[in-house]
Amino acid sequence: KQEVTQIPAALSVPEGENLVLNCSFTDSAIYNLQWFRQDPGKGLTSLLLIQSSQREQTSGRLNASLDKSSGRSTLYIAASQPGDSATYLCAVWYSNSGYALNFGKGTSLLVTP
Amino acid sequence: DAGVTQSPTHLIKTRGQQVTLRCSPKSGHDTVSWYQQALGQGPQFIFQYYEEEERQRGNFPDRFSGHQFPNYSSELNVNALLLGDSALYLCASSATPPSTDTQYFGPGTRLTVL
Repeated sequence: KQEVTQIPAALSVPEGENLVLNCSFTDSAIYNLQWFRQDPGKGLTSLLLIQSSQREQTSGRLNASLDKSSGRSTLYIAASQPGDSATYLCAVWYSNSGYALNFGKGTSLLVTP
Repeated sequence: DAGVTQSPTHLIKTRGQQVTLRCSPKSGHDTVSWYQQALGQGPQFIFQYYEEEERQRGNFPDRFSGHQFPNYSSELNVNALLLGDSALYLCASSATPPSTDTQYFGPGTRLTVL
């Protein structure tokens, strides 16, 4: 079964800290990997999309890396702010899963002032 | 550009009833996918529609059905509701081919089954 695992499940940090969220996947044959943000009870906002041929993507204070050989991706958030508090979801598009995205359960992030 | 829109925002039904959820894709997108997200879980793929046909289906019973209209909007229908169907239902749209583009998600419909 193709799974996506996110560690930690929850994280609390003081404002200003740099932090890393982790995502692991079970098959290196992927089309792409996406990181999403979800605020409580809301839909998903795409943060970064990394194609299979890429190693990293950056947007503002966010940097996502992809290592297919080890089945890992990390989302690095620099200088965290209270507004970053949300659940972060990792989604993998496996090459043999058709058109379905496979999601992890997410990491719930709380940034305290 | 309104992005992906979904209606209604919230819905309360009782066991055994039927429900219809609606989705309009982002402008320029022709593919619609539906996901179910239970509390504390990641979204689970229900099915995807393209050219008014169900292109792929996830591991969901036949009680879950859908439709795509010529204007690319879509409906998700759930029959014989169970308590376990309570979840946030997310619609996502993408262009064809999808591999180079992110999927854009709507705000979701929160379904509560009593």
